[in-house]
Amino acid sequence: NAGVTQTPKFRVLKTGQSMTLLCAQDMNHEYMYWYRQDPGMGLRLIHYSVGEGTTAKGEVPDGYNVSRLKKQNFLLGLESAAPSQTSVYFCASTWTFRTTEAFFGQGTRLTVV
Amino acid sequence: GESVGLHLPTLSVQEGDNSIINCAYSNSASDYFIWYKQESGKGPQFIIDIRSNMDKRQGQRVTVLLNKTVKHLSLQIAATQPGDSAVYFCAENIIPRGSTLGRLYFGRGTQLTVWP
Repeated sequence: NAGVTQTPKFRVLKTGQSMTLLCAQDMNHEYMYWYRQDPGMGLRLIHYSVGEGTTAKGEVPDGYNVSRLKKQNFLLGLESAAPSQTSVYFCASTWTFRTTEAFFGQGTRLTVV
Repeated sequence: GESVGLHLPTLSVQEGDNSIINCAYSNSASDYFIWYKQESGKGPQFIIDIRSNMDKRQGQRVTVLLNKTVKHLSLQIAATQPGDSAVYFCAENIIPRGSTLGRLYFGRGTQLTVWP
């Protein structure tokens, strides 16, 4: 049982480049989330999904897009990367709407130069 | 916006001692408060939660205390071990009005270091 898996684990992008981060969970969770974590700060919610085919904006959605075409996968896209998007990105999933026990992936460290 | 914060960014304790990590919150609409542990290079891991109508909850070696009067949350770790070294985040679960989905809002984290 892998839980939540993120790919890639590390990536360096040039300003203006695009990329997609993939999150996969094998727990049949309905709810999935993308967070970013910056030094000295907690995790901030970028986008989330309450089920296959649905997405919604979190606290810091600008510059990102998401898709949930399959229940087990949640993709985070950066269309035109900016240095301000240098961060560690975490995907999470939960059983129910009560998100106290979220299961997190290991993170993707993204550097935009 | 973020309303959960921690008092100290770092805490050092000796192995075997008890640790107390504190957190202050300002949003009274939270229905749950949660503690997460994040080890270096890993994602956060759920430790324990407490419903907003409770004032104490115990787990294995951990106790969470909630003081709603002063809007204070704490995590107590008994007999701290080297494996407890990590960043600890408090978080609150808020279900926005008109929504059925709770959201987690995280504080900034406290780095706990356990020395022998």
